[in-house]
Amino acid sequence: DAKTTQPPSMDCAEGRAANLPCNHSTISGNEYVYWYRQIHSQGPQYIIHGLKNNETNEMASLIITEDRKSSTLILPHATLRDTAVYYCIVSSAGNQFYFGTGTSLTVIP
Amino acid sequence: DTAVSQTPKYLVTQMGNDKSIKCEQNLGHDTMYWYKQDSKKFLKIMFSYNNKELIINETVPNRFSPKSPDKAHLNLHINSLELGDSAVYFCASSRIQRDEAFFGQGTRLTVV
Repeated sequence: DAKTTQPPSMDCAEGRAANLPCNHSTISGNEYVYWYRQIHSQGPQYIIHGLKNNETNEMASLIITEDRKSSTLILPHATLRDTAVYYCIVSSAGNQFYFGTGTSLTVIP
Repeated sequence: DTAVSQTPKYLVTQMGNDKSIKCEQNLGHDTMYWYKQDSKKFLKIMFSYNNKELIINETVPNRFSPKSPDKAHLNLHINSLELGDSAVYFCASSRIQRDEAFFGQGTRLTVV
């Protein structure tokens, strides 16, 4: 069962930063936070993951609070192609993921 | 080159039939998975294989049987198909645990 809570939907203006929040208040010490996204009719795509420290890659940044009970995925300059459902997942067992309902992000021109 | 490929992409079949979905990855990964995404878009893991050995088997009917002939392949056989089996099935692979998973494009199964 999913252990995360995300808003069901968000809008973002094209070119602006998209900040997607996720609550995972029951996260345990050995669990990582993963973010995936699913563009319509495609397979999920890995974005980023982290344990404690903030992480950044070519796609996004992941900000994890000090108590690790919540995190934010940041897409620095959203494009129309970033319109997708974004899933926040916590897992200690690698990729034995339980996807929740995610956040449906719509990037508006 | 497609990293994780599934065939067929679409599958329409009648109740009671037996069908298979094939999955192949050319990434040299050790671990492969099957996920099911239902009509409500919930994506749930079904099976996980590591080096051809089953390491997780979620609560799925025993009509579903994964078979891994080698590390690069994980096929899904479904016997006696039911209407409720209609869904999109995704195959995925990863190098090691906690590594990023690569997903295939999915197989949309429709049971009529």
